[in-house]
Amino acid sequence: GIQVEQSPPDLILQEGANSTLRCNFSDSVNNLQWFHQNPWGQLINLFYIPSGTKQNGRLSATTVATERYSLLYISSSQTTDSGVYFCAVDGGSQGNLIFGKGTKLSVKP
Amino acid sequence: DVKVTQSSRYLVKRTGEKVFLECVQDMDHENMFWYRQDPGLGLRLIYFSYDVKMKEKGDIPEGYSVSREKKERFSLILESASTNQTSMYLCASSRREYTEAFFGQGTRLTVV
Repeated sequence: GIQVEQSPPDLILQEGANSTLRCNFSDSVNNLQWFHQNPWGQLINLFYIPSGTKQNGRLSATTVATERYSLLYISSSQTTDSGVYFCAVDGGSQGNLIFGKGTKLSVKP
Repeated sequence: DVKVTQSSRYLVKRTGEKVFLECVQDMDHENMFWYRQDPGLGLRLIYFSYDVKMKEKGDIPEGYSVSREKKERFSLILESASTNQTSMYLCASSRREYTEAFFGQGTRLTVV
């Protein structure tokens, strides 16, 4: 089945710094989503981005489907950005998602 | 706003009990999913359903069953809870394949 790899696994930033998280996937996909898991465990939707570029405030994402990777950019990071960021791609025709292991982000004040 | 609601945020059950985890979505989505999340293993699919009364096994269905009697509700059943089923359980829904999925708040289940 499709493999999803995220890097880096851990990232520590000072407040105000910028960061780039990467997601590589091993096969063509029809769905790619980025999530932020909050401290209570809920997965918050950030982007639905099977291709192209999207922006939402300080966050933006780009997926280059032909090269099988996606990037999540966080600018001017804040302590509330801390948590685990997951990339997920479609795992089959019924819409289930295959998740990467996540990037754990810690933003220090 | 889209909403997926899980019946409990925290649950403690005894070994051997029958456990029901409930999930309700208000978006008229066809697809619903149950995942579990464990440290070091990530999120893994237990079961999913693409229509009322339809169900498909995911990657780790052993020890679980599901029920979908109404479109908006998808239940995960632990027939006889065991300590190795202590985990975070996450429910999700989506309209059809290749569309955006939305998750509930999660249920942290502890089996003692």
